[in-house]
Amino acid sequence: NAGVMQNPRHLVRRRGQEARLRCSPMKGHSHVYWYRQLPEEGLKFMVYLQKENIIDESGMPKERFSAEFPKEGPSILRIQQVVRGDSAAYFCASSPPNPISNTEAFFGQGTRLTVV
Amino acid sequence: AQKITQTQPGMFVQEKEAVTLDCTYDTSDQSYGLFWYKQPSSGEMIFLIYQGSYDEQNATEGRYSLNFQKARKSANLVISASQLGDSAMYFCAMRGSISNFGNEKLTFGTGTRLTIIP
Repeated sequence: NAGVMQNPRHLVRRRGQEARLRCSPMKGHSHVYWYRQLPEEGLKFMVYLQKENIIDESGMPKERFSAEFPKEGPSILRIQQVVRGDSAAYFCASSPPNPISNTEAFFGQGTRLTVV
Repeated sequence: AQKITQTQPGMFVQEKEAVTLDCTYDTSDQSYGLFWYKQPSSGEMIFLIYQGSYDEQNATEGRYSLNFQKARKSANLVISASQLGDSAMYFCAMRGSISNFGNEKLTFGTGTRLTIIP
């Protein structure tokens, strides 16, 4: 049973380019969360999605960032016109459709984005 | 709003000694969960232990235990008999009441970098 899969593991983009980060949740999980970890900081919640729906995007920057979780395929975090400040590790987590209180969040290994 | 505070940016501990990593939290939720994660230098997030706000006993998982003091709003992680492989960043995190939409987002602290000295 594969865990949460993120790709790529490492991504280098020049300023102004677009970055697309992918996350495939664990089998049977329909809830996806994206977090950002800036260097030497903790993880910060960005967005919570269910299939074809954005449920909570309270942590998403207002511009340049978007996320989707289509009916088929992985969840995508998209960053347009990247800037150096976007350099960070981006983690995806997934949970099952009927969460119970003590379920751990299953994290992927993260995508390290470097903007040069 | 929820807040997690980890006041120890870094700690050095002799191998085989026990270590306590501090975590305090703030929330208005009656029901919540507290988590500890380990992040080694390779970067992945490894789940260690969970404590529910209504759990009467402190959680334990092998060498990890959680010293949960609800009145003080603290959830310290205790690692017994530390090993060199315990050297890593440790994050305390909280999840509030699960909403109707099943929102299980976590609020993380800033972490403690633990270094085990041989």
